[in-house]
Amino acid sequence: QKEVEQDPGPLSVPEGAIVSLNCTYSNSAFQYFMWYRQYSRKGPELLMYTYSSGNKEDGRFTAQVDKSSKYISLFIRDSQPSDSATYLCAMMVTGGGNKLTFGTGTQLKVEL
Amino acid sequence: EAGVTQSPTHLIKTRGQQVTLRCSPISGHTSVYWYQQALGLGLQFLLWYDEGEERNRGNFPPRFSGRQFPNYSSELNVNALELEDSALYLCASSHKQVLNQPQHFGDGTRLSIL
Repeated sequence: QKEVEQDPGPLSVPEGAIVSLNCTYSNSAFQYFMWYRQYSRKGPELLMYTYSSGNKEDGRFTAQVDKSSKYISLFIRDSQPSDSATYLCAMMVTGGGNKLTFGTGTQLKVEL
Repeated sequence: EAGVTQSPTHLIKTRGQQVTLRCSPISGHTSVYWYQQALGLGLQFLLWYDEGEERNRGNFPPRFSGRQFPNYSSELNVNALELEDSALYLCASSHKQVLNQPQHFGDGTRLSIL
Protein backbone atom coordinates (compact mmCIF):
# COMPACT_ATOMS: atom_id res chain seq x y z
CA GLN A 1 0.00 0.00 0.00
CA LYS A 2 1.29 3.44 -0.93
CA GLU A 3 1.69 6.02 1.83
CA VAL A 4 -0.34 8.54 -0.17
CA GLU A 5 -3.21 7.56 -2.45
CA GLN A 6 -4.64 9.85 -5.10
CA ASP A 7 -7.16 9.09 -7.83
CA PRO A 8 -5.33 9.59 -11.15
CA GLY A 9 -8.44 10.67 -13.05
CA PRO A 10 -8.72 12.03 -15.63
CA LEU A 11 -11.39 14.34 -14.22
CA SER A 12 -13.31 16.40 -16.76
CA VAL A 13 -15.57 19.28 -15.68
CA PRO A 14 -17.31 22.19 -17.42
CA GLU A 15 -16.01 25.71 -17.02
CA GLY A 16 -17.32 27.35 -13.85
CA ALA A 17 -17.76 24.10 -11.94
CA ILE A 18 -16.49 23.47 -8.43
CA VAL A 19 -13.72 20.89 -8.49
CA SER A 20 -12.91 18.61 -5.57
CA LEU A 21 -9.54 16.83 -5.50
CA ASN A 22 -8.63 14.43 -2.71
CA CYS A 23 -5.83 12.39 -1.19
CA THR A 24 -5.76 9.83 1.57
CA TYR A 25 -2.70 8.81 3.53
CA SER A 26 -1.64 6.14 5.96
CA ASN A 27 1.20 7.77 7.93
CA SER A 28 -0.26 9.62 10.91
CA ALA A 29 3.08 11.43 11.40
CA PHE A 30 2.46 13.66 8.38
CA GLN A 31 1.96 17.23 9.63
CA TYR A 32 2.62 19.44 6.60
CA PHE A 33 0.34 19.18 3.58
CA MET A 34 0.77 20.75 0.17
CA TRP A 35 -0.96 20.94 -3.18
CA TYR A 36 1.04 21.48 -6.34
CA ARG A 37 -0.17 22.11 -9.88
CA GLN A 38 1.87 20.73 -12.77
CA TYR A 39 1.34 21.74 -16.35
CA SER A 40 2.63 19.53 -19.13
CA ARG A 41 6.41 19.75 -19.54
CA LYS A 42 6.71 22.03 -16.49
CA GLY A 43 7.73 21.58 -12.86
CA PRO A 44 5.22 21.45 -9.99
CA GLU A 45 3.98 24.88 -8.84
CA LEU A 46 3.06 25.30 -5.18
CA LEU A 47 -0.61 26.20 -4.70
CA MET A 48 -1.34 25.62 -1.02
CA TYR A 49 0.74 24.85 2.09
CA THR A 50 -0.95 23.95 5.37
CA TYR A 51 0.08 22.69 8.77
CA SER A 52 -1.97 20.10 10.68
CA SER A 53 -5.77 20.07 10.45
CA GLY A 54 -8.09 22.83 9.28
CA ASN A 55 -8.95 24.92 6.25
CA LYS A 56 -6.97 27.46 4.25
CA GLU A 57 -8.33 29.67 1.49
CA ASP A 58 -6.44 31.52 -1.23
CA GLY A 59 -8.53 33.09 -3.96
CA ARG A 60 -10.45 30.38 -5.78
CA PHE A 61 -8.59 27.61 -3.94
CA THR A 62 -9.46 26.06 -0.57
CA ALA A 63 -7.40 23.35 1.10
CA GLN A 64 -8.84 21.15 3.83
CA VAL A 65 -7.00 18.74 6.11
CA ASP A 66 -8.75 16.16 8.28
CA LYS A 67 -6.03 14.39 10.21
CA SER A 68 -8.50 12.19 12.09
CA SER A 69 -9.61 10.67 8.78
CA LYS A 70 -6.16 10.99 7.13
CA TYR A 71 -7.82 12.83 4.26
CA ILE A 72 -6.97 16.07 2.49
CA SER A 73 -8.88 17.99 -0.16
CA LEU A 74 -8.39 20.84 -2.59
CA PHE A 75 -11.44 22.72 -3.85
CA ILE A 76 -11.31 24.94 -6.92
CA ARG A 77 -14.20 27.36 -7.36
CA ASP A 78 -15.27 28.85 -10.70
CA SER A 79 -12.90 26.52 -12.57
CA GLN A 80 -11.27 27.87 -15.73
CA PRO A 81 -9.73 26.14 -18.76
CA SER A 82 -6.38 27.44 -17.50
CA ASP A 83 -6.84 25.21 -14.43
CA SER A 84 -6.40 22.16 -16.68
CA ALA A 85 -3.31 20.45 -15.29
CA THR A 86 -2.20 17.61 -13.04
CA TYR A 87 -2.70 18.28 -9.32
CA LEU A 88 -0.31 16.65 -6.88
CA CYS A 89 -0.77 16.36 -3.15
CA ALA A 90 2.36 16.15 -1.02
CA MET A 91 3.05 15.61 2.65
CA MET A 92 5.92 15.92 5.06
CA VAL A 93 6.78 14.70 8.55
CA THR A 94 8.23 17.25 10.98
CA GLY A 95 11.87 16.33 11.47
CA GLY A 96 11.60 13.73 8.72
CA GLY A 97 14.53 15.00 6.70
CA ASN A 98 12.44 17.40 4.63
CA LYS A 99 11.31 14.57 2.38
CA LEU A 100 8.09 15.28 0.50
CA THR A 101 5.92 12.23 -0.15
CA PHE A 102 3.70 12.74 -3.18
CA GLY A 103 0.50 11.29 -4.48
CA THR A 104 0.61 10.18 -8.11
CA GLY A 105 -1.45 13.18 -9.22
CA THR A 106 -4.95 13.79 -10.58
CA GLN A 107 -5.28 14.98 -14.17
CA LEU A 108 -7.94 17.71 -14.45
CA LYS A 109 -9.48 19.04 -17.64
CA VAL A 110 -11.80 22.05 -17.55
CA GLU A 111 -13.81 22.26 -20.74
CA LEU A 112 -15.42 25.31 -22.36
CA GLU B 1 12.57 37.14 -8.52
CA ALA B 2 14.00 34.28 -10.55
CA GLY B 3 12.74 30.82 -9.73
CA VAL B 4 14.68 27.58 -9.52
CA THR B 5 16.65 27.08 -12.73
CA GLN B 6 17.85 23.75 -14.07
CA SER B 7 20.11 22.78 -16.94
CA PRO B 8 20.10 21.21 -19.39
CA THR B 9 16.39 20.90 -20.22
CA HIS B 10 16.83 17.66 -22.14
CA LEU B 11 19.49 14.97 -22.31
CA ILE B 12 19.85 11.76 -24.25
CA LYS B 13 22.34 9.17 -23.02
CA THR B 14 23.04 5.49 -23.52
CA ARG B 15 23.23 2.73 -20.95
CA GLY B 16 26.40 2.77 -18.87
CA GLN B 17 27.16 6.44 -19.41
CA GLN B 18 27.36 9.08 -16.70
CA VAL B 19 25.39 12.33 -16.49
CA THR B 20 25.53 15.57 -14.48
CA LEU B 21 22.47 17.75 -13.94
CA ARG B 22 22.64 21.27 -12.55
CA CYS B 23 20.38 23.40 -10.38
CA SER B 24 20.40 26.99 -9.14
CA PRO B 25 18.07 27.70 -6.20
CA ILE B 26 15.92 30.74 -5.62
CA SER B 27 18.01 33.60 -4.27
CA GLY B 28 18.16 33.38 -0.48
CA HIS B 29 17.34 29.67 -0.35
CA THR B 30 20.01 27.46 1.17
CA SER B 31 18.37 24.04 0.82
CA VAL B 32 18.26 22.14 -2.46
CA TYR B 33 16.33 18.96 -3.11
CA TRP B 34 16.36 16.48 -5.98
CA TYR B 35 13.37 14.37 -7.04
CA GLN B 36 12.85 11.82 -9.79
CA GLN B 37 9.54 11.78 -11.68
CA ALA B 38 9.40 8.58 -13.68
CA LEU B 39 6.39 7.57 -15.75
CA GLY B 40 3.89 5.73 -13.61
CA LEU B 41 5.88 6.15 -10.39
CA GLY B 42 5.21 9.74 -9.40
CA LEU B 43 7.71 12.02 -7.71
CA GLN B 44 10.29 10.20 -5.61
CA PHE B 45 12.64 11.97 -3.18
CA LEU B 46 16.32 11.57 -4.07
CA LEU B 47 18.50 13.93 -2.03
CA TRP B 48 18.50 16.97 0.22
CA TYR B 49 21.48 19.35 0.55
CA ASP B 50 21.79 22.24 2.95
CA GLU B 51 24.84 24.39 3.66
CA GLY B 52 26.96 22.15 1.46
CA GLU B 53 26.12 18.95 3.31
CA GLU B 54 23.94 15.98 2.35
CA ARG B 55 21.13 15.99 4.94
CA ASN B 56 18.88 13.18 3.73
CA ARG B 57 18.80 10.55 1.01
CA GLY B 58 15.92 8.64 -0.54
CA ASN B 59 15.81 4.97 -1.45
CA PHE B 60 18.13 5.15 -4.47
CA PRO B 61 21.39 3.28 -5.18
CA PRO B 62 24.78 4.94 -4.52
CA ARG B 63 25.30 5.63 -8.23
CA PHE B 64 22.99 8.59 -7.61
CA SER B 65 25.05 11.27 -5.90
CA GLY B 66 25.41 15.00 -5.77
CA ARG B 67 26.92 17.99 -4.15
CA GLN B 68 26.13 21.56 -3.19
CA PHE B 69 28.48 24.44 -3.83
CA PRO B 70 29.22 27.49 -1.62
CA ASN B 71 26.79 29.58 -3.71
CA TYR B 72 24.09 26.95 -2.87
CA SER B 73 23.80 25.67 -6.44
CA SER B 74 23.83 21.91 -6.79
CA GLU B 75 24.71 19.06 -9.11
CA LEU B 76 23.15 15.64 -9.39
CA ASN B 77 25.40 12.91 -10.79
CA VAL B 78 24.16 9.57 -12.03
CA ASN B 79 26.71 6.90 -12.93
CA ALA B 80 26.29 3.69 -14.90
CA LEU B 81 22.99 4.80 -16.39
CA GLU B 82 20.25 2.20 -16.72
CA LEU B 83 17.14 2.27 -18.89
CA GLU B 84 14.91 2.80 -15.84
CA ASP B 85 16.74 6.05 -15.06
CA SER B 86 14.75 7.65 -17.86
CA ALA B 87 12.72 10.30 -16.05
CA LEU B 88 12.19 13.96 -15.35
CA TYR B 89 14.66 15.09 -12.67
CA LEU B 90 13.32 17.95 -10.63
CA CYS B 91 15.21 20.28 -8.35
CA ALA B 92 13.52 22.26 -5.59
CA SER B 93 14.73 24.81 -3.08
CA SER B 94 13.59 26.22 0.25
CA HIS B 95 14.75 28.27 3.18
CA LYS B 96 16.45 26.43 6.01
CA GLN B 97 14.78 23.25 7.23
CA VAL B 98 14.22 24.46 10.75
CA LEU B 99 11.40 26.72 9.55
CA ASN B 100 9.72 23.87 7.61
CA GLN B 101 9.46 26.06 4.59
CA PRO B 102 7.71 24.87 1.43
CA GLN B 103 9.73 23.60 -1.51
CA HIS B 104 9.63 25.38 -4.86
CA PHE B 105 10.42 23.44 -7.99
CA GLY B 106 12.19 24.13 -11.25
CA ASP B 107 10.99 22.79 -14.60
CA GLY B 108 13.33 19.83 -14.54
CA THR B 109 15.76 18.02 -16.80
CA ARG B 110 14.26 15.32 -18.96
CA LEU B 111 16.71 12.43 -19.21
CA SER B 112 16.22 9.73 -21.82
CA ILE B 113 18.33 6.56 -21.78
CA LEU B 114 18.63 4.62 -25.02
